[in-house]
Amino acid sequence: QGRLVESGGGLVKPGGSLRLSCAASGFPFRDYFMSWIRQAPGKGLEWVSHLATSGSLTKYAASVKGRFIISRDNARNSLFLQMNSLRVEDTAVYYCATLRTGGRADVWGQGTTVIVSS
Amino acid sequence: QSVLTQPPSVSAAPGQKVIISCSGSTSNIGNNYVSWYQQLPRTAPKLLIFDINQRPSGTPDRFSGSKSGTSATLAITGLQTGDEADYYCATWDDSLGGVVFGGGTKVTV
Repeated sequence: QGRLVESGGGLVKPGGSLRLSCAASGFPFRDYFMSWIRQAPGKGLEWVSHLATSGSLTKYAASVKGRFIISRDNARNSLFLQMNSLRVEDTAVYYCATLRTGGRADVWGQGTTVIVSS
Repeated sequence: QSVLTQPPSVSAAPGQKVIISCSGSTSNIGNNYVSWYQQLPRTAPKLLIFDINQRPSGTPDRFSGSKSGTSATLAITGLQTGDEADYYCATWDDSLGGVVFGGGTKVTV
């Protein structure tokens, strides 16, 4: 069974930066597209970004484009999200998840909480 | 405002059936597979249905999915109290180049 464990969340001031990590195990990480999905308090799910198996192809939601950078290290079975110029509205639980056709995410992490507040 | 439209809530008695709708457009549901997720309180979402109507191992056959045109539906039969959760539809959007989710539907038993 695949497993994903996020880390790196915390409290940061508006305009600050944070780097999230996601450690994968139990499945062939290098063979999967990976994604970050977030959920603001009391709100629904929002796709943030995803990248291809090699890391060469990346996509971002309009709300984070130009501020967030997604990357991966297949040798270390790890996924990352560098978040810059953080805004109050980026406050959310951030999940990493595998990604397949039709928005199919088989494996999810437990989530890491990011709070952007002065 | 979510790209995919779901009813905010549905409810039914134990043992009954509920249907959750998910409405989109030709750039998303109309041209792609659909997935459904169940999110129990204070937990991460879990894949419930993929590729419109396929169940991962572990999903009871009380849960079924379908699609017609630019809409998809999730049906839950034989409702149990343990089914109380938020349910989300998701698919790929060709115009946005990413995944889109519905706003979520809270099921109350």
